[in-house]
Amino acid sequence: EVQLVESGGGLEQPGGSLRLSCAASGFIFSNYAMSWVRQAPGKGLEWVSTISGSGGNIYFADSVRGRFAVSRDNSKKTLYLQMNSLRAEDTAIFYCARSDLIADFLFDYWGQGTPVTVSS
Amino acid sequence: QPVLTQSSSASASLGSSVKLTCTLSRGHSSYLIAWHQQQPGKAPRYLMKLEGSGTYNKGSGVPDRFSGSSSGADRYLTISNLQSEDEADYYCETWDSKTGVFGGGTKLTVL
Repeated sequence: EVQLVESGGGLEQPGGSLRLSCAASGFIFSNYAMSWVRQAPGKGLEWVSTISGSGGNIYFADSVRGRFAVSRDNSKKTLYLQMNSLRAEDTAIFYCARSDLIADFLFDYWGQGTPVTVSS
Repeated sequence: QPVLTQSSSASASLGSSVKLTCTLSRGHSSYLIAWHQQQPGKAPRYLMKLEGSGTYNKGSGVPDRFSGSSSGADRYLTISNLQSEDEADYYCETWDSKTGVFGGGTKLTVL
């Protein structure tokens, strides 16, 4: 059974940093691209970042490029999102998602999400 | 990059059928999309991927009541024999070479 479990969310001040993790199980982690998708309170889904299975290809939404970094440790089956220079508008639930084998941006499994609140 | 347009809301009666629409922007009418369901207070759930031809492949455990179809730039999600648990937000999703894109979502109310 595919499982994705996010952690690391919490309350942070504007300008601060947080590191999210997503622990994966139930599939060959290194074979799949992985992504982060967020959802601001009362809003829709917003794609944030995608990293290929090898980690060699990385993509970001314009809204986070230059502030966020994504990485993965295939030996630990874990995906990370390093969030720096946080802004109030980054407040959201952050979901980890596995990509379908045919397309890096087609998400076929989702984690339960971890909430991030940016406020002073 | 592609843009996906969805109606903000829809409603249908328990036991009936409903057809939700996701429209691709000009120049992207051949794109494959995915449908996701998000029940209140829960994480999204992948329902299916849907090609421009109308061919669709559902995710693990998705009931037979859910089906997909296509016409031109429109991608449809049809839910038959509506159940109370189908009351949820439904998002379509697509991508180009370097970007993921979501529609604004349709809030489905089961009457």
